Amino acid sequence: QLVLTQSPSASASPGASVKLTCTLSSGHSSYAIAWHQQQPEKGPRYLMKVNSDGSHTKGDGIPDRFSGSSSGAERSLIISSLQSEDEADYYCQAWGTWVFGGGTKLTVL
Amino acid sequence: EVQLLESGGGLVQPGGSLRLSCAVSGFTFSNYAMSWVRRAPGKGLEWVAGISHNAVSPYHAESVMGRFTISRDNSRNTLYLQMNSLRAEDTAVYYCAKDPIVGATPGSAPFDYWGQGTLVTVSS
Repeated sequence: QLVLTQSPSASASPGASVKLTCTLSSGHSSYAIAWHQQQPEKGPRYLMKVNSDGSHTKGDGIPDRFSGSSSGAERSLIISSLQSEDEADYYCQAWGTWVFGGGTKLTVL
Repeated sequence: EVQLLESGGGLVQPGGSLRLSCAVSGFTFSNYAMSWVRRAPGKGLEWVAGISHNAVSPYHAESVMGRFTISRDNSRNTLYLQMNSLRAEDTAVYYCAKDPIVGATPGSAPFDYWGQGTLVTVSS
């Protein structure tokens, strides 16, 4: 069974960088994933696709501060030069499925 | 500009019914599969139902099978979710979401656009 595991929370200071991870369950380490951002009181927004080889393709209008990487079964979202508006919930979704991770709440201190 | 606007949410008693609508603009609605996704209070995103671009193939999560029905009217650029036999655990914000690939099977790729959501509260 495909399961995506995310840490429930993360925090960092404005201007810093943060790495959020999404871990694919055993036997599913080749899946690409998508990252979605949900700011408070808003609908989610598609950020990017992250492939198993670490390459990534961003959605329309996503700033260069957002990037992706991959290592084994881990797919990561890296946000650099953190801004207050980056405070949000971040969800991964396995490509070709309707399976989501539990989400990570990012706090920008 | 792609826009998805949900409506129809509200307060309903357990066992009651609601119909949600999602009016879209900014793209050729009939070319894309669509879905409903919900987020319960304090919980994460949960896919609820999806439908092919031509309305031929609907899909529903096990948690709502037999109670919810997804449909669409391509002439009205509108997606629907008929919710019957509502339970307290159906309380959530419901979002409509668009698949990114023309004519593809629902769920072939993650959603590229989402609506702002409509709140459904099931309580006596």
